[in-house]
Amino acid sequence: AQSVTQLDSQVPVFEEAPVELRCNYSSSVSVYLFWYVQYPNQGLQLLLKYLSGSTLVKGINGFEAEFNKSQTSFHLRKPSVHISDTAEYFCAVTSSGGYQKVTFGTGTKLQVIP
Amino acid sequence: SQTIHQWPATLVQPVGSPLSLECTVEGTSNPNLYWYRQAAGRGLQLLFYSVGIGQISSEVPQNLSASRPQDRQFILSSKKLLLSDSGFYLCAWVGSPSGNTIYFGEGSWLTVV
Repeated sequence: AQSVTQLDSQVPVFEEAPVELRCNYSSSVSVYLFWYVQYPNQGLQLLLKYLSGSTLVKGINGFEAEFNKSQTSFHLRKPSVHISDTAEYFCAVTSSGGYQKVTFGTGTKLQVIP
Repeated sequence: SQTIHQWPATLVQPVGSPLSLECTVEGTSNPNLYWYRQAAGRGLQLLFYSVGIGQISSEVPQNLSASRPQDRQFILSSKKLLLSDSGFYLCAWVGSPSGNTIYFGEGSWLTVV
């Protein structure tokens, strides 16, 4: 079984400040990790993903995340946020073999304050 | 390129009425297809997934059912809606050449009144 924990349900941050959204996972097998963004009343859009290789992955809109196997974490970061980054962010995990059952975290709402 | 279409975008239905949400994927073959529900203030709940035509697996026992009559078509249904069925429904897929990445449709808002 696999699970994802997003510890922060809401994160307020001032515009142009850095932000980190936390994600921890548990799995008994090798995993792939993802971050998605959801703007109000829209579907989920892929931000970035870790499949293998470099543990630091860069995504769209200036976001990046680092896979830390020893800490079973995949935190999302951005050095300087914009108002347009206000959205809900979901971390997800799937096993690296066989059928891809994707497990999502409960989401973190990022509110960028002008 | 691969695209996913989901409709209707918004639906208001009375309690006890039937439901049909449809999802189609273009630009890929034999995808894995999923239905998720996102209730207000809650995360994503996997409802059904399908690895092929006629193959449906249910994750959560409930008032809903799913069918896959064609390779790239996935339908979510209910015979009699409950108030608790209200929420945001998302269709998603994984397939070649994306491999291990799940992609989502734009979602359907269902309000049961």
